[in-house]
Amino acid sequence: SQTIHQWPATLVQPVGSPLSLECTVEGTSNPNLYWYRQAAGRGLQLLFYSVGIGQISSEVPQNLSASRPQDRQFILSSKKLLLSDSGFYLCAWRLLPWRGTEAFFGQGTRLTVV
Amino acid sequence: DAKTTQPNSMESNEEEPVHLPCNHSTISGTDYIHWYRQLPSQGPEYVIHGLTSNVNNRMASLAIAEDRKSSTLILHRATLRDAAVYYCILRGASSGNTPLVFGKGTRLSVIA
Repeated sequence: SQTIHQWPATLVQPVGSPLSLECTVEGTSNPNLYWYRQAAGRGLQLLFYSVGIGQISSEVPQNLSASRPQDRQFILSSKKLLLSDSGFYLCAWRLLPWRGTEAFFGQGTRLTVV
Repeated sequence: DAKTTQPNSMESNEEEPVHLPCNHSTISGTDYIHWYRQLPSQGPEYVIHGLTSNVNNRMASLAIAEDRKSSTLILHRATLRDAAVYYCILRGASSGNTPLVFGKGTRLSVIA
């Protein structure tokens, strides 16, 4: 069965520090991968998605970047965190259409920038 | 993807059925209706989806209006664990690799 791993679960980082969040998927190949963010009391905001290794689409220009170095690995990074980067970060995966219609989400990383 | 409209919040008593509405008046003929829910401090999880006919699974039922301009997610017996934000999302056959876009959803509160 397929599983998605996202870590760490919680993170407290000072302003100006770097960030690296990792997401890996097991039990499938060539998934579409996504990063979402949810600020406190707000909706889910799509940040990045990837349809293949090295292919990244950015939905919102901001202080973050994403990379996909391997088929089932998706990394969210920042060189210098801002207070506004605080939020609940979620990784998700989905198979190509018509091979599966569901998107599966990780358990999320709650990031607090202080 | 076409737009959906949901109430901001709803409240239900435990053990009673819950009907969560979703309006999608601009739905196209190839749009599937998907429902996800997000429990507190967790990522969204898939609930159910359908195209034209009503659908049932172990989590819920989906009732789709004959003109497909609205749908209703039915939880047959609400439990405290069903308290979550419920999202109604349309996905067209031509959506391809485009990601799921979540609206504000309906926050369901369940009262013991």
